[in-house]
Amino acid sequence: QQQVKQSPQSLIVQKGGISIINCAYENTAFDYFPWYQQFPGKGPALLIAIRPDVSEKKEGRFTISFNKSAKQFSLHIMDSQPGDSATYFCAASSGGYQKVTFGIGTKLQVIP
Amino acid sequence: DAGVTQSPTHLIKTRGQQVTLRCSPKSGHDTVSWYQQALGQGPQFIFQYYEEEERQRGNFPDRFSGHQFPNYSSELNVNALLLGDSALYLCASTRYGQGQGAQHFGDGTRLSIL
Repeated sequence: QQQVKQSPQSLIVQKGGISIINCAYENTAFDYFPWYQQFPGKGPALLIAIRPDVSEKKEGRFTISFNKSAKQFSLHIMDSQPGDSATYFCAASSGGYQKVTFGIGTKLQVIP
Repeated sequence: DAGVTQSPTHLIKTRGQQVTLRCSPKSGHDTVSWYQQALGQGPQFIFQYYEEEERQRGNFPDRFSGHQFPNYSSELNVNALLLGDSALYLCASTRYGQGQGAQHFGDGTRLSIL
């Protein structure tokens, strides 16, 4: 059972463009929604995270938008750079537990 | 300050064998979680250890077991290996009670089953 659905699975964006990755969840007990960035040969690294009492969170070029009623959230990468080329995972957890449920991942390629 | 370290980095086994993977948490961390990441998939939670006890478990069979030592390091053991166990095994550590988002991942052990 895929509790966190992520799309698209691959994305090609030109340098300077906006990358958008979407996720949807089913479990209303989830109360923490992180995004992870993973480079080849490396483990996932926390990029940015949001709680459902906030509709948007911005850190530098990265923004999470959260729609609690629709049970959807998305990552926007502004001014995308070739160095942003990586796999991005949305995720969710609940109740302070550190068990994290991941989406399938989006492989982002930013072309010059 | 060393982050999460895992060993070995790569491992090749045959079906039916047993394997042990090791993880040293980030300095100051006392809780270790293990994840399995199949090729092209997101990581899937296996289990979590705190105070040398398994605290949570994901949907994995009993062939997957673990241990945490007094120095907080941890081992993941997999018995009767199947071809489907081929994956990247990730260890993540945190300090108990530090809250969500504080997990630090290692770079994983790539396990290949022939």
